[in-house]
Order: sequence, then structure tokens, then C-alpha cells
Amino acid sequence: KAGVTQTPRYLIKTRGQQVTLSCSPISGHRSVSWYQQTPGQGLQFLFEYFSETQRNKGNFPGRFSGRQFSNSRSEMNVSTLELGDSALYLCASSLRTGSTEAFFGQGTRLTVV
Amino acid sequence: AQTVTQSQPEMSVQEAETVTLSCTYDTSESDYYLFWYKQPPSRQMILVIRQEAYKQQNATENRFSVNFQKAAKSFSLKISDSQLGDAAMYFCAYRNRGSEKLVFGKGTKLTVNP
Repeated sequence: KAGVTQTPRYLIKTRGQQVTLSCSPISGHRSVSWYQQTPGQGLQFLFEYFSETQRNKGNFPGRFSGRQFSNSRSEMNVSTLELGDSALYLCASSLRTGSTEAFFGQGTRLTVV
Repeated sequence: AQTVTQSQPEMSVQEAETVTLSCTYDTSESDYYLFWYKQPPSRQMILVIRQEAYKQQNATENRFSVNFQKAAKSFSLKISDSQLGDAAMYFCAYRNRGSEKLVFGKGTKLTVNP
């Protein structure tokens, strides 16, 4: 059974650009959550999607957005990139909202220069 | 809002010895889950152990066990017979029942010395 797949693994972007990150959950999983990990702020919740609907959103500016497709794959988008957006972005999938276990992907390392 | 605090930024242990990582949390909820995740240099978060708040019995997974003190809002992780492969960042996390949002502590970097 394939795990959670995040693409790309590494990304370098310039300030002001936008970026789209992708997450393919484990087959059959319908809930996808996103987290930002930085040395200073640690792991912070971005948003959660279930059955193509955003169920919860963290305290991030509107430049951060996401969506989920009918096959449960999810994308997150960051517009007008800032240096502070440099981080490891982690995606987690679970069978449904409130499942006891979430499985994480290996993350996308975004560097903004 | 819930918070999770890990007061030990770094810990070290000798191979085959036992180490305990500390975690405290704050919540006004009564029904929730607590987790310990391991993040090795490969960056992938791996679930080590989970505890359901309504279960009084402490969870155990092989060499890993927890000491869950609900009244004290404490959730420590004990690693027995430490192995070199246990070296990683360990994160304590909280989640309300019915939600997918995990609230993480800042992590504890565990070093295992041969």
C-alpha cells in the first residue's frame, strides 16, 4: 500500500512568485491536512480537507490556500511568496475526519530567495 | 486554544538504557487524543504511540510506553532499551476528538550514544 506522496520534494522560488504543492493521500483516505514546519515556529496547522470541503483552517494569511479534488488529492497554493514562507510543508492523510491516526508524507522543502 | 509544551529541547541516552521525554498540555476539553511522533532526518513524521484521553490505561507499543496523567495534563514517553535508530526529533501532539487538527509541541531532539 503506497504511503502519502508529496511532490515536489524540493522547491526554490523567488520572492513574489506563487507556488503549488501537491499531496496524494493513501488510497481510500478522504481527509487531508497540511502543516508548515519551521525552526522558529515549529509545526503549525494550515488547513484540513475532507470530501473536497475545507473543514478547518489555521491562523495563516489569505495568501495560503488549498483545495481537494474528488480523488482526495490535495493541493496547497501560496501566492506572493515571502522569505518567511521558507519551510517544510507536510501533508497528512487519514481515513476520515477524527480517525485515530494520521499518516504523514515526507514533505516539500520550500526555499524562498 | 490548546497548547502543548515540551520542556526538554534536547536529551541524550546511552544505547540499551531508558529515557523519558516530557510533555504537558493545556485544554478545556475532556475527550481528546495524545500522540508521540518521531521525525528522523528523513523528515517523515512517524507515529510512535497514541493515547485516548478516556482510557485510563497507559498505552504501550513494544519498547515505547507512556505515562498519562490526565488530571495533571502530563503525557511523557518512556523509551526502553534505546537503540541507535531511536535517534530523532520527538514531537508530542494533541488532537480533539472529531477533529484532524494536531497541535504540536516544539519537539525534543534525542541522541543515542553507542
